[in-house]
Amino acid sequence: NAGVTQTPKFQVLKTGQSMTLQCAQDMNHNSMYWYRQDPGMGLRLIYYSASEGTTDKGEVPNGYNVSRLNKREFSLRLESAAPSQTSVYFCASSLSGSTEQFFGPGTRLTVL
Amino acid sequence: DQQVKQNSPSLSVQEGRISILNCDYTNSMFDYFLWYKKYPAEGPTFLISISSIKDKNEDGRFTVFLNKSAKHLSLHIVPSQPGDSAVYFCAASSYNTDKLIFGTGTRLQVFP
Repeated sequence: NAGVTQTPKFQVLKTGQSMTLQCAQDMNHNSMYWYRQDPGMGLRLIYYSASEGTTDKGEVPNGYNVSRLNKREFSLRLESAAPSQTSVYFCASSLSGSTEQFFGPGTRLTVL
Repeated sequence: DQQVKQNSPSLSVQEGRISILNCDYTNSMFDYFLWYKKYPAEGPTFLISISSIKDKNEDGRFTVFLNKSAKHLSLHIVPSQPGDSAVYFCAASSYNTDKLIFGTGTRLQVFP
């Protein structure tokens, strides 16, 4: 039981490049989330998915897209990376109706 | 507009003493509150929670107190141990949503 896994752990991009952050969970959770963590800002919700096939914007969705590929996987895509997207990205999952979220180890992204 | 605030970015406490971490919120619709603990290079992990129908919840060395009239909650750790050194995030949610709003975090350092 691996819980929530994220790949890659680290990534450096140049401005304008694209990339996809991958997230998978093996806990049979319906809900999945993408957050970013910046110094002094806490964790801010980018997108979330309440179930397979549904996605909704969070607090800071601009510049990102998501795909809920199936119940296990929820990916985050940066189409044209900007230095302002330099951050640590966390994926999380939870059972429907539960506020207890389980987090992955994070992806540290630097955009030059 | 920061709906969940942790006004102390850092706290330093001697081993064996009490650590008190504070959190304030502005949204009166919040009815469930959680504390997460985060070590460097890891994702946040759930620590303890409290429903708005209670004013106290205890789990071993950790106790969370909720003062609804003041829109304030606090996490007490007694006795503090060096392994408690981490960043602590307060989070809140409203009825009928799985989404969490996080505070900016407090870095706790427990020294011998």
